[in-house]
Amino acid sequence: TQLLEQSPQFLSIQEGENLTVYCNSSSVFSSLQWYRQEPGEGPVLLVTVVTGGEVKKLKRLTFQFGDARKDSSLHITAAQPGDTGLYLCAGVTPAGTYKYIFGTGTRLKVLA
Amino acid sequence: DADVTQTPRNRITKTGKRIMLECSQTKGHDRMYWYRQDPGLGLRLIYYSFDVKDINKGEISDGYSVSRQAQAKFSLSLESAIPNQTALYFCATSDLWGGELFFGEGSRLTVL
Repeated sequence: TQLLEQSPQFLSIQEGENLTVYCNSSSVFSSLQWYRQEPGEGPVLLVTVVTGGEVKKLKRLTFQFGDARKDSSLHITAAQPGDTGLYLCAGVTPAGTYKYIFGTGTRLKVLA
Repeated sequence: DADVTQTPRNRITKTGKRIMLECSQTKGHDRMYWYRQDPGLGLRLIYYSFDVKDINKGEISDGYSVSRQAQAKFSLSLESAIPNQTALYFCATSDLWGGELFFGEGSRLTVL
């Protein structure tokens, strides 16, 4: 069974602080996606990273794909209350299997 | 209207009952997925379908069955529900391999 471990599982921080969420696996993925989920809704895609070592920035969010394509990180600079939510990473398995394997999730709460 | 619609949104049932969760989509996607979400476990893949004639088991298919009635419809059945199937269930669709997953709003199932 392919697993994606996320850490930390819970994070409560003050507005303006920085944070990093990690997504680790022993499996190689063809790409890695990050989703955010609000209460009562389904996850919504934030970004897809495809190339090993790739870094993508989305305003205050920075996403990185590990060189070996087994891990990823999400860094948020100057967190805001609007960043509160459940963050999920998802690894897309290589050609021939075509599955999205989700991480265990990181629940972030940003206090004003 | 939502692109991916799940019914029912909430259901309470008793052990041993048969339950069907339905999913319909207007995105024209060939690929559809059923996931269950449990706290601390992220999203786990139950079944996935790449077209009407192609249905595949995911990581946790035991106790579940599916039917792809048309490109736009993918149903999940619990033949004899048990309490540990209490969870939030999500249907999702995608067009290209590795592309964005589009989720419904979820179906919360409670088995007493």
